[in-house]
Amino acid sequence: DADVTQTPRNRITKTGKRIMLECSQTKGHDRMYWYRQDPGLGLRLIYYSFDVKDINKGEISDGYSVSRQAQAKFSLSLESAIPNQTALYFCATSDPRDGGFNQPQHFGDGTRLSIL
Amino acid sequence: AQKITQTQPGMFVQEKEAVTLDCTYDTSDQSYGLFWYKQPSSGEMIFLIYQGSYDEQNATEGRYSLNFQKARKSANLVISASQLGDSAMYFCAMRVQNAGNMLTFGGGTRLMVKP
Repeated sequence: DADVTQTPRNRITKTGKRIMLECSQTKGHDRMYWYRQDPGLGLRLIYYSFDVKDINKGEISDGYSVSRQAQAKFSLSLESAIPNQTALYFCATSDPRDGGFNQPQHFGDGTRLSIL
Repeated sequence: AQKITQTQPGMFVQEKEAVTLDCTYDTSDQSYGLFWYKQPSSGEMIFLIYQGSYDEQNATEGRYSLNFQKARKSANLVISASQLGDSAMYFCAMRVQNAGNMLTFGGGTRLMVKP
């Protein structure tokens, strides 16, 4: 089983719909992240959370919200989806005990979201 | 603000040869970390290697090594003995200590290994 699981893997929906992308992890990491990747580009950070009570905006948080339901779960919501939110979305986790400052982030397999 | 630049949008390499993927970075902070990730066509992001700004030796991990030149602000990835399975997108990323835990990614390089 994957350590970082994203659901759904693919989603096609219409403009104006509310969408929730879910991420769960079995790594026991406190830190979780949501990124989006647009075609041909690198990843950009949407939100991140260092523990259950901690939520922080990333570089491109407008139009998104998150919920950290438990240490293992971090959900991303699009309240009213628009076509330019069509992208590949990644959840990631990390642990400062794993290399300290240089801790790597461990990514899920991504959710491909298309908004028509 | 931090910035990562990968100037090679696409590269070809012959199987079994070595290849260098370029990465330059810009930050005014002294404490930072540099990472390389691989993204195969299936889409997942795979962590390959990292280098800390205070590390005196270049990082190595199997066939991957990082050519870290601090004065030039470059952190190039070297893949030795390329394999067909190395064909993928490769992303360089940086974390700066004074910018929380955010990773800043470059635009990526698509590597294609020829048989």
